[in-house]
Amino acid sequence: AQTVTQSQPEMSVQEAETVTLSCTYDTSESDYYLFWYKQPPSRQMILVIRQEAYKQQNATENRFSVNFQKAAKSFSLKISDSQLGDAAMYFCAYRSMGGSEKLVFGKGMKLTVNP
Amino acid sequence: GAVVSQHPSRVICKSGTSVKIECRSLDFQATTMFWYRQFPKKSLMLMATSNEGSKATYEQGVEKDKFLINHASLTLSTLTVTSAHPEDSSFYICSARGAGRFNYGYTFGSGTRLTVV
Repeated sequence: AQTVTQSQPEMSVQEAETVTLSCTYDTSESDYYLFWYKQPPSRQMILVIRQEAYKQQNATENRFSVNFQKAAKSFSLKISDSQLGDAAMYFCAYRSMGGSEKLVFGKGMKLTVNP
Repeated sequence: GAVVSQHPSRVICKSGTSVKIECRSLDFQATTMFWYRQFPKKSLMLMATSNEGSKATYEQGVEKDKFLINHASLTLSTLTVTSAHPEDSSFYICSARGAGRFNYGYTFGSGTRLTVV
């Protein structure tokens, strides 16, 4: 079974600075999807970014980018120019490309943004 | 974009009663619905997966007779917590996947905070 590990339960960053959230996963599959979700205090889950494992290019969405290292099974999220609204729980998630569509979530990491 | 409306957002019920939580996909057809439970400051725990018109598939350790899931249409799925007890108090979230344009996406409801007293 696949597992997703987020080893840092909490992090903080100064507004306008850059922060990197780490995520590692374990799988025997070669094709899969990886996701970062944000859950602000409202508890609404919001997709931040998605990466297909077969793509070598790292995904980027405005201030959010990933460092996808397939061999190392690492999928870190970089947030540039951090804003107060980035404060939230961040969850890394894995999904197989075939078979089950369910997402496997990491334990999450609480990000605090200091003004 | 895709929207899933989840109701109620909060509910308080007495121990022994049943509570129904609804998730509706407003602008797409939800072929698959996932139901999660989330404890405070914890991750999302998948309870079950349902496909429209089929019986739900429950994760190991989840009581199917206690957590009844119905996915009778492509726009509505319900989770009924039967004979609720205080230990069922939690935050419940649904997530829908649709066909076509939204095929890669998972659209989450806004969650339901259930308190059993």
